Amino acid sequence: AQRVTQPEKLLSVFKGAPVELKCNYSYSGSPELFWYVQYSRQRLQLLLRHISRESIKGFTADLNKGETSFHLKKPFAQEEDSAMYYCALKGLRSGGSNYKLTFGKGTLLTVNP
Amino acid sequence: GAVVSQHPSWVICKSGTSVKIECRSLDFQATTMFWYRQFPKQSLMLMATSNEGSKATYEQGVEKDKFLINHASLTLSTLTVTSAHPEDSSFYICSAPSLTSGSSNEQFFGPGTRLTVL
Repeated sequence: AQRVTQPEKLLSVFKGAPVELKCNYSYSGSPELFWYVQYSRQRLQLLLRHISRESIKGFTADLNKGETSFHLKKPFAQEEDSAMYYCALKGLRSGGSNYKLTFGKGTLLTVNP
Repeated sequence: GAVVSQHPSWVICKSGTSVKIECRSLDFQATTMFWYRQFPKQSLMLMATSNEGSKATYEQGVEKDKFLINHASLTLSTLTVTSAHPEDSSFYICSAPSLTSGSSNEQFFGPGTRLTVL
């Protein structure tokens, strides 16, 4: 079974402060992890994926297999970063060849002025 | 990037009626589409995987006779909520993978459909 845990439902920081959104996963195979973001009144969209090792909008995330974590970080938060953030794991469906995305429950980030 | 649309964006229906929700990939073909359900302030729960030309694959606990999925073409999947009840009221979201550079298909999400059953 695959599971994604985001321990914080809500996270509030001030503009310019560092931010870290936590994500832990459980998966028996080789994981492929993503961060999705949903801004107010908009659809879910991909923020970044671990295989790309890229920085998007100042956000980075490193896969730590030892700690089974994929925390999202940004050194200086901006007000426009306020959104719902979902960590997701792509893995094979049990008993099949298809894959599926399993989402964490999400963290609502609020960046205050 | 690729665009996925859903229709309708919201629907209100009476208990006992059936409601059809469409999911379209506008500028790419998708042999697979995913249907999710999202309760208020909660995560997306995968309901089923829609496969073009074959039966949908349902997640455990999802009634296939209640949530009928038809993947009629490479750009269209439909979800029909049959004999809807108030507890079916939710936000239904579809997604489709599109090939992007690199080894991983990126999932593109529709805007969602808000279903309210009275």
